[in-house]
Amino acid sequence: DTEVTQTPKHLVMGMTNKKSLKCEQHMGHRAMYWYKQKAKKPPELMFVYSYEKLSINESVPSRFSPECPNSSLLNLHLHALQPEDSALYLCASSPSAGRGTDTQYFGPGTRLTVL
Amino acid sequence: QKEVEQNSGPLSVPEGAIASLNCTYSDRGSQSFFWYRQYSGKSPELIMSIYSNGDKEDGRFTAQLNKASQYVSLLIRDSQPSDSATYLCAVKGLGSGGGADGLTFGKGTHLIIQP
Repeated sequence: DTEVTQTPKHLVMGMTNKKSLKCEQHMGHRAMYWYKQKAKKPPELMFVYSYEKLSINESVPSRFSPECPNSSLLNLHLHALQPEDSALYLCASSPSAGRGTDTQYFGPGTRLTVL
Repeated sequence: QKEVEQNSGPLSVPEGAIASLNCTYSDRGSQSFFWYRQYSGKSPELIMSIYSNGDKEDGRFTAQLNKASQYVSLLIRDSQPSDSATYLCAVKGLGSGGGADGLTFGKGTHLIIQP
């Protein structure tokens, strides 16, 4: 089973709203990732968690706040977003970060629209 | 700055023929290489991973890696209309301290299999 789940599937929010995206995996993976994908562009890395610790933040604005409450769950808290933040937000997980065990499996994504 | 280059296409191939997709990368320290398939509006789906120089075959798919030339390719034999999608080449290096790192994606090649 290589399933990563993400909720919600779609989200529309105003610029003053606070919302959260949720990602879950039950494969025992110890590395989890958030990516952002704009239309007709490749995914771009936002954050990496390894063993529940934030190990990479790719200079993402503070209006995006990641959280990893446990090894199965990854959240992305959103606050005061801009219309240009509208995109497909992808969560991925991998068994670990090491070579040979770092294959990343993606969830279905949350399509976010900021009005 | 890590870069991954792909011809964006579209690449049009007749049904039953071999589709050849190519990718070059700039970071010589890259350790892991992946091909993902992405249908329009969906999330990336893993096709192949490759870590060592040479060929790796899985069903109709063959990945080839040449680290000296910093080149990765994907061959799809007996192409089917259902193979029509965007193919993303992704590269992962060593993270800081040898730990977790995300993927750097190429822009993707749009493949069209003509019935």
